[in-house]
Amino acid sequence: RKEVEQDPGPFNVPEGATVAFNCTYSNSASQSFFWYRQDCRKEPKLLMSVYSSGNEDGRFTAQLNRASQYISLLIRDSKLSDSATYLCVVNANTGNQFYFGTGTSLTVIP
Amino acid sequence: EAQVTQNPRYLITVTGKKLTVTCSQNMNHEYMSWYRQDPGLGLRQIYYSMNVEVTDKGDVPEGYKVSRKEKRNFPLILESPSPNQTSLYFCASSSFSGRMSDTQYFGPGTRLTVL
Repeated sequence: RKEVEQDPGPFNVPEGATVAFNCTYSNSASQSFFWYRQDCRKEPKLLMSVYSSGNEDGRFTAQLNRASQYISLLIRDSKLSDSATYLCVVNANTGNQFYFGTGTSLTVIP
Repeated sequence: EAQVTQNPRYLITVTGKKLTVTCSQNMNHEYMSWYRQDPGLGLRQIYYSMNVEVTDKGDVPEGYKVSRKEKRNFPLILESPSPNQTSLYFCASSSFSGRMSDTQYFGPGTRLTVL
C-alpha cells in the first residue's frame, strides 16, 4: 500500500469555481502534513501546512481528518493562475522521511 | 536571496559513467534531501541528511550515494548510472522544529538522461 494516495485528476474547472482535493495516508502515526504546488517542470513550492484544527489562507483551506487519515485542500473562486499540480506530503512519524502523493492536476478554464 | 541551487540543470550521459549532481543551500538548514520524480510515481525520496556527517536512506536509495561533509552542500553521486535512473531530480532543504523537519525548499531540478 502506498504511503500517500491522491486522485490524479485531471480536474478541469471554470474560473470562479470551488474545487476540492483529497489525499489519504496510511501511517496513523504521521505527524506533519503539507500541500505543495508544482508548476510544469518546476520545483514544488509550499502552498500551506495542514494543522489539526484546519487552516485557511485566503482562498485556500486545508483540513486534516486523523480518524479517517486524510487531508483535504479546498480552493474557492478559482483563478487561471491556480492551474498547477497539487501535491500532498506527509512526514513520517520518524520526522525525517517525507512521502509525496503523485499529485492532482488542476486546470482552470476561462 | 534564500535559495537551493543544483548543478547541472540538464545532463545527458552514458551508462556507467560516474557523475555527481551538486546541491547547495544558503539558509543554514540542518536537513537536506534528494528526490527523483517520475511520471505516475510522483516524488520519491532517495537519501536525506539530518546534519553534517549524518545520512539515511529514503525509499529508493539503490544506485545512489550521498555525502554531507559541510552543512550547506549535499551532493548526489551516481557511481555507475543506468538508463532506469533517467529522471528529474530535486534537492531540498529545511530547518528543524523540535523533532520534526519543517517546510522544505526545493532546488530548480536536474533533468538527467542516461543513454
